[in-house]
Amino acid sequence: NAGVTQTPKFRILKIGQSMTLQCTQDMNHNYMYWYRQDPGMGLKLIYYSVGAGITDKGEVPNGYNVSRSTTEDFPLRLELAAPSQTSVYFCASSPLGTAIQYFGAGTRLSVL
Amino acid sequence: KNQVEQSPQSLIILEGKNCTLQCNYTVSPFSNLRWYKQDTGRGPVSLTIMTFSENTKSNGRYTATLDADTKQSSLHITASQLSDSASYICVVSGLKTSYDKVIFGPGTSLSVIP
Repeated sequence: NAGVTQTPKFRILKIGQSMTLQCTQDMNHNYMYWYRQDPGMGLKLIYYSVGAGITDKGEVPNGYNVSRSTTEDFPLRLELAAPSQTSVYFCASSPLGTAIQYFGAGTRLSVL
Repeated sequence: KNQVEQSPQSLIILEGKNCTLQCNYTVSPFSNLRWYKQDTGRGPVSLTIMTFSENTKSNGRYTATLDADTKQSSLHITASQLSDSASYICVVSGLKTSYDKVIFGPGTSLSVIP
């Protein structure tokens, strides 16, 4: 009964480093999303995917990249980390035909 | 500009009391409105979802209402419990097939105290 699993839970990066945030779901959902949540702000969409091999930019894609080689996995890549990328990152998925999204527990990232 | 505003920003109530949280939106066209509960350190969890034709939707002690004409929604919590302490997020979707046209409100932080 795992749902959406994100790893790691916490990470500290130095400016200029790179890392990949992992996200996997076991519900066979077509749609997957990456959001960032900053204090006092609503979640902002970074990238989304409507199926394996298909990805598209959201509202705030700069500095990030994604891939979707399988239905289950949707990793988010940060290249050349910047302090502005300090945030909590949430991965979500949703099945075909419904707007309800299922969220992971989040990854708290600090770039120093 | 598509926006979702929530009020109050934060709220403290005594255990057992009722409360109502507000959501105003300017998203157009409108497809659906969702309320999520987000516990500290967790991801949001869906409470209710309403389309433009629905006026009210209940989930246990949570009741959401929607007035699509005035673009307002409310979430009413009855007989609050300590476990209701969380952030409540209003989410409005635009065109049904535009997955990026989903606007999240900033949330209302609710604290239920004994």
